[in-house]
Order: sequence, then structure tokens, then C-alpha cells
Amino acid sequence: GQNIDQPTEMTATEGAIVQINCTYQTSGFNGLFWYQQHAGEAPTFLSYNVLDGLEEKGRFSSFLSRSKGYSYLLLKELQMKDSASYLCAALDSNYQLIWGAGTKLIIKP
Amino acid sequence: GAVVSQHPSWVICKSGTSVKIECRSLDFQATTMFWYRQFPKQSLMLMATSNEGSKATYEQGVEKDKFLINHASLTLSTLTVTSAHPEDSSFYICSARPPEAGEVNEQFFGPGTRLTVL
Repeated sequence: GQNIDQPTEMTATEGAIVQINCTYQTSGFNGLFWYQQHAGEAPTFLSYNVLDGLEEKGRFSSFLSRSKGYSYLLLKELQMKDSASYLCAALDSNYQLIWGAGTKLIIKP
Repeated sequence: GAVVSQHPSWVICKSGTSVKIECRSLDFQATTMFWYRQFPKQSLMLMATSNEGSKATYEQGVEKDKFLINHASLTLSTLTVTSAHPEDSSFYICSARPPEAGEVNEQFFGPGTRLTVL
């Protein structure tokens, strides 16, 4: 079956760095997305990886290893507004998104 | 980026009534729109894929006669929850995929509709 695993909850300190891991098992693979979702709001796009390696976008970076079925989202210089859920989603061979349950990130002062 | 709107933002209705939710792509044409449902502290669950001019494709376990989807134009898809019951209370989110998306299959999400059935 298809499956996405990511931690349920993580806590980090303002100004620090946090890495949110995601492992996936899908029927075929056409890329991996990370979305940010604040409570009560719809998800917003953060990143897309289809090739191995690190993609950097400002304070956020995303890494992919296709051979390991593994990705991570790296958040630097954490701000209080980064408190949100982070959703990992893999695109399968039918170009359908398979969603993880999300990681709730709590930022403490 | 592409903008997707949803209406209404929230709705409260009595059990047994029907509720219609609209999803519009404001600055692009979307041949495909997606309808998701999200229960508290859970991830998005794809309900159905809405294709313009044809029948929607429903995910396993989603009753097509209860959740009616109409994608009559390239900018509008509607989800009607028929005979709503309290267990249908949830956050309903639509998304659309622009045909010229810079990111493969990137989906842009509407703001969501919170449905509460009393």
C-alpha cells in the first residue's frame, strides 16, 4: 500500500533550526511536496522536489533521496509565525497526491 | 501565484438539509479540481477529483450520491453535501491545478469551508 510517515509533533525554540523528516512508500513516484498549514486555514505550498538533493528557498530548505524514500524540510531562524502543521505529500504514478498526517511544529520563545 | 476561492467560508445547517460549496479558480482555467475533507488534527483526505465536462472520480469509501460534484465550467466546481448529518461536520477544502503550473502538478488550495451540522 501507499504510505507517508512523518512525526506527529515537534517543538523548537525561536531562532533555532528544526528538521522535519518524511518517509514515503508509493506506487511510482513523481515528486514530493511540502505544505504549511496554520490552524483553521488551507495548506500553502512550500516546496517541490523530484530530483535528489537539497532545494533552498530562503529560511526553508527541502531535501530528497529517492533511493531511500526520504525527504526532510529544514527551517532555519525559526520565528513564532512558523508554528503550524507541515504536510508532506508524495505524487504517485497516477499523479495523485498521497498525504502524510502532518507534523505539528510548536515554537517556544 | 494562482488564486482559488471558496464560498461560503463557514456554514451551519440543520441535520437533513443540503449544503452547496463553491470552488472557483480566479485567474486561471482549471480542467481538474480536487475536493478534500479534513477532520480535526488529521491530514487532508481526498474525496474526489472533479473534471470539467465529465463525471467526478470518487475515492473509495466516499458516497457519490451524498457528495454531489459538478464541474460545469473551467473556473467553477461545486460540492453539494446532501442530507447532511452531524458526522459530515468537517473542513472542506478544494484545490485546482493550473495547466501551465511551474511545478509539476502543484495544487493551489482554496481557503476552505467549515461545515457544522447540528
